[in-house]
Amino acid sequence: KQEVTQIPAALSVPEGENLVLNCSFTDSAIYNLQWFRQDPGKGLTSLLLIQSSQREQTSGRLNASLDKSSGRSTLYIAASQPGDSATYLCAVRVPGSARQLTFGSGTQLTVLP
Amino acid sequence: KAGVTQTPRYLIKTRGQQVTLSCSPISGHRSVSWYQQTPGQGLQFLFEYFSETQRNKGNFPGRFSGRQFSNSRSEMNVSTLELGDSALYLCASIGYPGGKVKQFFGPGTRLTVL
Repeated sequence: KQEVTQIPAALSVPEGENLVLNCSFTDSAIYNLQWFRQDPGKGLTSLLLIQSSQREQTSGRLNASLDKSSGRSTLYIAASQPGDSATYLCAVRVPGSARQLTFGSGTQLTVLP
Repeated sequence: KAGVTQTPRYLIKTRGQQVTLSCSPISGHRSVSWYQQTPGQGLQFLFEYFSETQRNKGNFPGRFSGRQFSNSRSEMNVSTLELGDSALYLCASIGYPGGKVKQFFGPGTRLTVL
């Protein structure tokens, strides 16, 4: 059974700092990995989607990498801003589960002004 | 394109009642998935529908059911509500931008069971 872990559970950084969020998964047989952002009490906003054949994806100040063989992904946020404060979730899609996503528990990020 | 619509946004029910939640996917999307989010269990998969057929089901009791209509709108129903059913219920509309499967989530329905 696929399990997804995100460490740390919470992170607080000063504005302007570059930071890395971690995601690990137990079964390397994945179709893709997706990073989401969730603001308090709201739905999920997709940030980046990495296919299993890709190593990384970039969007603006965000860069996500994928190392399928080691079961790890990182989300790099450059020059963090208070508006980046949110919970960041990673999720994997695995073969044999239709389009079901298995989520990590998230990292709650606070960027201090 | 309009995003995913979920109604109602907030619900308060009492134990033993039943509830129906609705999700309208992005126009043109034929697949919908439902997830339950709680502080203790995080995000857990409920079920997925494609063209009115359930394709996959998560590990939830039979009190949780769903369906999809010919216009791709989906509903989920929870019968005999329990306190532990209090959660944010999220619907995802599944699309294929650039040929790749991608999930687009709605704002959720916040269910409180008293």
